[in-house]
Order: sequence, then structure tokens, then C-alpha cells
Amino acid sequence: EIVLTQSPGTLSLSPGERATLSCRASQSVNNNFLGWYQQKPGQAPRLLIYGASIRATGIPDRFSGSGSGTDFTLTISRLEPEDFAMYYCQQFGSSPPYSFGGGTKVEIK
Amino acid sequence: EVRLVEAGGGLVQPGGSLRLSCVASGFTFSSNWMFWVRQAPGKGPEWVASIETDGSRADYLDSVKGRFTISRDNAKKLLYLQMDSLRVDDTAVYYCARDPYTKAFDVWGQGTMVTVSS
Repeated sequence: EIVLTQSPGTLSLSPGERATLSCRASQSVNNNFLGWYQQKPGQAPRLLIYGASIRATGIPDRFSGSGSGTDFTLTISRLEPEDFAMYYCQQFGSSPPYSFGGGTKVEIK
Repeated sequence: EVRLVEAGGGLVQPGGSLRLSCVASGFTFSSNWMFWVRQAPGKGPEWVASIETDGSRADYLDSVKGRFTISRDNAKKLLYLQMDSLRVDDTAVYYCARDPYTKAFDVWGQGTMVTVSS
């Protein structure tokens, strides 16, 4: 079973700043099938990035994903007010369980 | 519009049963793997179960194996989760989601709350 560890737990930043979120896997993620989701209170998660670096439909280009193997990064180039939320990574390995990370909260400083 | 809508949640006593349903619209349901994902209060999401396009294969989280059953009716565009022998730690919002062969969940329902308590 692949365990995903996200860091930091909380990121305190101001609008306009750059956010860098990390997701580390306990073993290599098959074909880099690593996704990133944004979640706001009371809402379902929203897919931002899949395949480690491919933006989902309608996602602004200030969101970018990178990495391979066991180390992945989500970067938000310039934070907009609507970007303050929880972020989760998730892996689709060669077999279940398809685990999620513990999340990073991006909060307003 | 691509849409998933869950129903069937509620309050149930430990040991009880519930059947969740999820109706799909706006896409070819029979061409997509489908999933149930849950989120306990204050926690991150957790994959629960998945089912292949024709229902021939299903996989489960270890903690729900033997208690939960995922199924689908492609003609009616419905996904189900039969939950038996419910435990307090099954309390969560349950979402259905699809994977359009991108190995990620691109569409989610609004979720249905399941509370297991005496």
C-alpha cells in the first residue's frame, strides 16, 4: 500500500505570493498517476492536476504540477483569494487502495 | 452537463445497513470506471470502492471488505453502495466519482452523509 505524505500541513501566505506544496510517496507511483485536488468547506474535492502535471479542464494556468517517482509538487504561481483552501494529492497505483495524502491547508497570512 | 447525484444517506445504528445510490447524467456512464470515496468529519478523503465499466471487477478498502458491496446498472446510469454491518467509524460523507481513463476523479457528486450512531 502506498502512503502519501503531504507537507507542510499548513501554509500561511498572502494573495499574490507563490505556494509550493509537496507530496511524497512511500514507493514509486505507477506511471506517475498522481493527482491534486482542491477542497473548500462544504464542497466536494475538485480535480486540479492529473498524471502529475496535466491541468484538468478549466483549471487556470497559475496551477502547475511536477515531479515523478516518489516526489511531487503542486505550485500556485500567484495566489488569488479563491485559492485559499485544502489541497490533497492522490495516487492511482497499479492496484488499490488508491490513497490520498493528509492534505495541506493554504491559509491567508 | 456532466453530473453525479448521490442519495440514501442518513442516521443508522451500529450493525445496521444502508444503500447509497448515485445517478449519472451528461456522459456515457457505461464507459467509465466508477468509485465511492468517503470523508470523515475533519479528515481527508478516503477511497472506498471501485467498479469496472461492465461490473465484472470490484475492489474494496480492506476495512470495508465483506461488509460493503459496489454495483452498477448501466441501463439506468446508476451506481450503488450496499453497506452492511455498519460501524461508528464508517461515519462520513460518501461521494461517488468517475475516472474518465485519466487515473483521477474528474467529476464528483455533492455527497451524502452517513452517520452511524446509537
